Amino acid sequence: NAGVTQTPKFRILKIGQSMTLQCTQDMNHNYMYWYRQDPGMGLKLIYYSVGAGITDKGEVPNGYNVSRSTTEDFPLRLELAAPSQTSVYFCASSYSLLAGGPQTDTQYFGPGTRLTVL
Amino acid sequence: QKEVEQNSGPLSVPEGAIASLNCTYSDRGSQSFFWYRQYSGKSPELIMSIYSNGDKEDGRFTAQLNKASQYVSLLIRDSQPSDSATYLCAVFYGNEKLTFGTGTRLTIIP
Repeated sequence: NAGVTQTPKFRILKIGQSMTLQCTQDMNHNYMYWYRQDPGMGLKLIYYSVGAGITDKGEVPNGYNVSRSTTEDFPLRLELAAPSQTSVYFCASSYSLLAGGPQTDTQYFGPGTRLTVL
Repeated sequence: QKEVEQNSGPLSVPEGAIASLNCTYSDRGSQSFFWYRQYSGKSPELIMSIYSNGDKEDGRFTAQLNKASQYVSLLIRDSQPSDSATYLCAVFYGNEKLTFGTGTRLTIIP
């Protein structure tokens, strides 16, 4: 198992450009997440998905979009990149009980994408 | 807003000593608690999870949970230089999402 994979590892964008960060997991996890981590800070949830075709906003969704057409893939789209989106982006997945269950399972993280917007 | 608070550190501990990391959370309805370790430039990895009051031990790591005080801690015994990392506390509030603290940077001094 490769686990959670992310591409690219690094990217530099100019202000106003767009790009898609790719995330794939091969563990058949139903839940997937996108986080950003700014220097010296914790993880902020951008978007998450509880299954194919279902997505929801997290804490900091503005400027981003997601889709979940398959169980394995959860791409994150940046439209009109801004310097404030300079960050490290982590994708994660887990197998969680249905809503109302007592606990979530372990979240497995991808290696991250380091994005700089100039 | 549900919050998770950690002392950002840095926390410096001599090699072989016990490192104690603390975390408080805001919602008494919290159900599950996790400690992640993150090396510089790497992604977080789970080292401990705890769901009920008391202690949970795994090797050199012990997680302690006190729901009445809304407090969870991580003890690392016989600290090694390889334990130097940032430790993230995460809390599951039952809404399909984890809330992370900002992390405590731990340095083990040889």
